[in-house]
Amino acid sequence: AQSVAQPEDQVNVAEGNPLTVKCTYSVSGNPYLFWYVQYPNRGLQFLLKYITGDNLVKGSYGFEAEFNKSQTSFHLKKPSALVSDSALYFCAVRDWGTGFQKLVFGTGTRLLVSP
Amino acid sequence: EAGVTQFPSHSVIEKGQTVTLRCDPISGHDNLYWYRRVMGKEIKFLLHFVKESKQDESGMPNNRFLAERTGGTYSTLKVQPAELEDSGVYFCASSQDPGGGEQYFGPGTRLTVT
Repeated sequence: AQSVAQPEDQVNVAEGNPLTVKCTYSVSGNPYLFWYVQYPNRGLQFLLKYITGDNLVKGSYGFEAEFNKSQTSFHLKKPSALVSDSALYFCAVRDWGTGFQKLVFGTGTRLLVSP
Repeated sequence: EAGVTQFPSHSVIEKGQTVTLRCDPISGHDNLYWYRRVMGKEIKFLLHFVKESKQDESGMPNNRFLAERTGGTYSTLKVQPAELEDSGVYFCASSQDPGGGEQYFGPGTRLTVT
């Protein structure tokens, strides 16, 4: 079965510094990987996805993610963090099992960007 | 274009009562999904509709949960009778592309069973 792990419950970074939110995955076959963000009192918003192609994927709000097959990782990055980036971030992988389309999520990482 | 909407945003009920959650997907999206996040844990899949048919209900926890999507438009998720462990945030999502496309999520319904 597919799974993802987000090893950090929380990441703290100062505004203007680069940020990384980690995600590792376990899949059978080619992975379809996603990042979502949840702002307070809001639903999950899609940030970016990796299906095939370039290992560096660019998404919304200046975020990008690097797909690394050898390390089975899909870390989310941003060169310069903003206070408004503070939110809950979820990594997800498409499950190619019986459901075909369902997403399998990690436990989430809370990002806190301090002024 | 309106996004995925869910109603109610919050619900507080007592153990043994019944609650019905509603989801309106993005217009034209045939695929509708229900997920649940229990406090502090991962978001878990419950089930998937394609139009009015249940494509995958492998994530439904037990027979106290009943999901419907009559007419292939909005969907309801009923919990009857509710138990304490049913508390959490219930998310609905919809998608157009059944393959690699992203799913669009609603704001969620926070269910508290006391």
